[in-house]
Amino acid sequence: GEDVEQSLFLSVREGDSSVINCTYTDSSSTYLYWYKQEPGAGLQLLTYIFSNMDMKQDQRLTVLLNKKDKHLSLRIADTQTGDSAIYFCADSGGSGNTGKLIFGQGTTLQVKP
Amino acid sequence: NAGVMQNPRHLVRRRGQEARLRCSPMKGHSHVYWYRQLPEEGLKFMVYLQKENIIDESGMPKERFSAEFPKEGPSILRIQQVVRGDSAAYFCASSPESFSGNTIYFGEGSWLTVV
Repeated sequence: GEDVEQSLFLSVREGDSSVINCTYTDSSSTYLYWYKQEPGAGLQLLTYIFSNMDMKQDQRLTVLLNKKDKHLSLRIADTQTGDSAIYFCADSGGSGNTGKLIFGQGTTLQVKP
Repeated sequence: NAGVMQNPRHLVRRRGQEARLRCSPMKGHSHVYWYRQLPEEGLKFMVYLQKENIIDESGMPKERFSAEFPKEGPSILRIQQVVRGDSAAYFCASSPESFSGNTIYFGEGSWLTVV
């Protein structure tokens, strides 16, 4: 079945760039998403990318999509301690443009001062 | 414009009791999705509903779980005879009739603890 995989943990120093990687299996994915979750809180949509795009930039966030390799990455420039959270990659798979998303297991980002 | 509202935010139930979780979608949204997040895991899709219709329940456990989205009022996720393994965060999301990438919104979640 459809699957989304992420590495579980990333540790960086404040001010460095963070790169969180994700792979997915469904080639029919229309949208791919990055969400942020702080402890005990809900999901915050950070950004999303349409499958016909290679890159999307939004302030400190850069999303790169390699459709051939089914690889998605999120780069956070100038990482701050407030960026410490769990980051989830999700894809819409072959859901036919609905909100039925497939999530990865999340990457815990630890930012050291 | 209020976002997706879920209540209760935290719920404690004893084994064997029933849990009811409510979700009011964003204004103008007619599609509701329920997800479950077990401890240390990502979110797993449970069910997709439109008003008075279940569209996709492929992620729902076959027993004890049910969901509805009546013509009036919030969507309800009901868990009967809860067990410890049901302890999780349950998230609701909503989207409008015409879905595009940035039109799905998640609620803050309901944390169920079964003791």
